[in-house]
Amino acid sequence: EAGVAQSPRYKIIEKRQSVAFWCNPISGHATLYWYQQILGQGPKLLIQFQNNGVVDDSQLPKDRFSAERLKGVDSTLKIQPAKLEDSAVYLCASSFQGGGTGILYFGPGTRLTVT
Amino acid sequence: AQKITQTQPGMFVQEKEAVTLDCTYDTSDPSYGLFWYKQPSSGEMIFLIYQGSYDQQNATEGRYSLNFQKARKSANLVISASQLGDSAMYFCAMREANTGNQFYFGTGTSLTVIP
Repeated sequence: EAGVAQSPRYKIIEKRQSVAFWCNPISGHATLYWYQQILGQGPKLLIQFQNNGVVDDSQLPKDRFSAERLKGVDSTLKIQPAKLEDSAVYLCASSFQGGGTGILYFGPGTRLTVT
Repeated sequence: AQKITQTQPGMFVQEKEAVTLDCTYDTSDPSYGLFWYKQPSSGEMIFLIYQGSYDQQNATEGRYSLNFQKARKSANLVISASQLGDSAMYFCAMREANTGNQFYFGTGTSLTVIP
């Protein structure tokens, strides 16, 4: 079974530029999460999707961050314009809802550096 | 109040010895799940072990076991026979059924295995 896929793995941009990250969850997983992890900290939830609907985006800085999950499968997270404090690892995760343990499976992450 | 508390920022253990990583949680939801994840320096979050709030027995997965003390709201991870490859960050997490299955992460414990 293929895991959660993310691209790119690394990205370096200058402040005020825009960037987009892509995530493809595990097949059949209805719930998709985007997390931001700053060095030395735990993951912080940015947005949670259930199929193609948003469940929680309360911590998403909506003035610069946007995310979509068209067709309820893969998802894109965008930052525009980027700030220095956006330097972090962006983790995508998915889980199967509808029973079971609801284990969160993570992708390899995208390491963003804003200069 | 913090949902997940990990009070040990860093831990050291001798190779082949056992080590316990502490985790306490806060919830009023009777239905919840507790998880431990390992994050090596490569950055990927790896699922280790799960404990459901209604599970009567402590979870075990190979060298990992979860010491679940429900009344004390603690879910400590025990790693037996430590190996050099166990050196990593370890995160405790909780999923509550009544918050749309949102995951809460602790701040992590950095484990270093000494040869």
